Amino acid sequence: DIVMTQSTDSLAVSLGERATINCKSSQTVLSSSDNKNYLAWFQQKPGQPPKMLIYWASTRKSGVPDRFSGSGSGTDFTLTISSLQAEDVAVYYCQQYYGIPTFGLGTKVEIK
Amino acid sequence: EVQLVESGGGLVQPGGSLRLSCAASGFTFSNSWMNWVRQAPGKGLEWVANIKQGGGETLYVDSVKGRFTISRDDAQNSLYLQMNSLRVEDTAVYYCVTGWGLDDWGLGTLVTVSS
Repeated sequence: DIVMTQSTDSLAVSLGERATINCKSSQTVLSSSDNKNYLAWFQQKPGQPPKMLIYWASTRKSGVPDRFSGSGSGTDFTLTISSLQAEDVAVYYCQQYYGIPTFGLGTKVEIK
Repeated sequence: EVQLVESGGGLVQPGGSLRLSCAASGFTFSNSWMNWVRQAPGKGLEWVANIKQGGGETLYVDSVKGRFTISRDDAQNSLYLQMNSLRVEDTAVYYCVTGWGLDDWGLGTLVTVSS
């Protein structure tokens, strides 16, 4: 199975500042057949189910604010929140769906 | 709007069984891969099982193989998870989730395995 590693367990960022969350996969999630990265990002707030923010590594799901962006390819990926808002406090998970789905352990984003 | 409503969770003793259900609406259920994903209290997310459109293909995480069975009823727009030989470590919120990429999630149902 593909192992997803989020190197930062928690991150404290000031309101309005940039938050960057990194994720690394143990093998490529870039498909050679369609040139797509099978990588998604989820946001989970306390007491709520996870919510997909980004799929194909960089495509925002409908309704997701444009301050959220995804980048990267192959094995290294980043979720960026360009200007942190109070409602962005949550745990963020990366997930690959190239093979059997696997998740990173999550990065908790808090307000500094 | 996609709606997924899980039911069937509860308290069960180790070695016992439970059957979870998920009622789906707001999308074409028969055209969708469907999944169960779980989250132990205070822990991260773990994909448990999925089932292809038509039900002809199923996949499981190693820790539940031989104990859990995923199934679907496309006529009823419903997804199921039969859980046998339950262990303490199966305690979690179980989410019903659409698509191979895990697009939309229900609110979950809590399964507690304890004596």
